[in-house]
Amino acid sequence: AQSVTQLDSQVPVFEEAPVELRCNYSSSVSVYLFWYVQYPNQGLQLLLKYLSGSTLVKGINGFEAEFNKSQTSFHLRNPSVHISDTAEYFCAVIELMTTDSWGKLQFGAGTQVVVTP
Amino acid sequence: DGGITQSPKYLFRKEGQNVTLSCEQNLNHDAMYWYRQDPGQGLRLIYYSQIVNDFQKGDIAEGYSVSREKKESFPLTVTSAQKNPTAFYLCASSPSGYNEQFFGPGTRLTVL
Repeated sequence: AQSVTQLDSQVPVFEEAPVELRCNYSSSVSVYLFWYVQYPNQGLQLLLKYLSGSTLVKGINGFEAEFNKSQTSFHLRNPSVHISDTAEYFCAVIELMTTDSWGKLQFGAGTQVVVTP
Repeated sequence: DGGITQSPKYLFRKEGQNVTLSCEQNLNHDAMYWYRQDPGQGLRLIYYSQIVNDFQKGDIAEGYSVSREKKESFPLTVTSAQKNPTAFYLCASSPSGYNEQFFGPGTRLTVL
């Protein structure tokens, strides 16, 4: 992908409220899409991925994302967040280039989610 | 348990010194990666290796070097040529180039 844009750098949300994290990418070819979560001072953990098939993808911890090809978006949602969901969330994209045997994973800048009581 | 280990978790270096960060995986993955993470900038690719004895530069390879002599190991050396090495370094692996990547816990490097 030429770029991956996460539209919000920080999202404050109350416990048990819904949250949506927006991700847009630019690419003229087919893509694989991922959302990762990073807790403080830890590595990244995969939340969910879209490779093909249904555009609505369910992941861990109640998160889901919807792939919209026409809008080149892959927004992440959770209908009811917990304090433990406080973390940084990264959207990532791999372009499927038929001429290459390896696809670069391109990351967005991240969205910090802060859940308060 | 299968996974990726990185050591040490914290590393302090004096200016002008080279340091080597360790990354080991027991997932039997062919591909391995090194990323650098700075606040507000997401992850940037330093080097990657698709197979043993082969590696390629990523977006910010200057001042870094790697080796891939064994499938399970991909150490990163931060040389004195790296102008601003203080950062969080993440190692990852994947079965191939078109799969999700699995990440290690990271090493935080601080230059004193």
